[in-house]
Amino acid sequence: DVHLVESGGGAVQPGGSLSLSCAASGFTFGDYGMHWIRQAPGKGLEWVGVIIWDGTGIHYGESVQGRFTISRDDTKNSVSLQMTGLTTEDTALYFCAKGGSGKVVVDYWGRGTQVTVSS
Amino acid sequence: AIQMTQSPSSLSASVGDTVTITCRASQYIRDELVWYQQKPGKAPKLLTFTPSNLPNGVASEFSASGSGTDFALTITSLQPEDFATYFCLQGHSYPYTFGQGTKLEIK
Repeated sequence: DVHLVESGGGAVQPGGSLSLSCAASGFTFGDYGMHWIRQAPGKGLEWVGVIIWDGTGIHYGESVQGRFTISRDDTKNSVSLQMTGLTTEDTALYFCAKGGSGKVVVDYWGRGTQVTVSS
Repeated sequence: AIQMTQSPSSLSASVGDTVTITCRASQYIRDELVWYQQKPGKAPKLLTFTPSNLPNGVASEFSASGSGTDFALTITSLQPEDFATYFCLQGHSYPYTFGQGTKLEIK
């Protein structure tokens, strides 16, 4: 079974930085892109970004472009999200998600880790 | 970025009803749209994608249709476990974008 476990969430002040990690298991990690998706309290889903299976392509959502960085370590089956310049608008539950095959953008999701940006 | 307009934002229905949720893309996205179901406190779950393809374990009352800019998710003969929030996601071009979600509630 596919398992995705996020960690690293917490409380941070505006302007601060935080790094999230996602540990993956149950599939050949190096064969798939990995996404980050977030959900603000009581709100819908927002796509944060993706790192392509071989790490050569990384794409971000408009609201995080230039502030967030996605990386992967295939030796550890993990993907990371480095966040800088955090604002209260970044407060959300952050999900790690496995890229799918063909038309399926994302097929499995982790349970998320909470990030709260507050003074 | 491609805007995804999902409607309705909320919907009340009864067990046994058939409901349709739509997503409209601000530009052509071929058939590269996926639907997810989310229940309170849970991570979203892949539901279906167009043309209608049900992943293993997804009940057959769900079907997806559409291409180009207009898409629909139809749920026939609603079951109690179907009351949840539904999202569409376009995977045609970066940045990928979600619809705003449709909360399906029991009438």
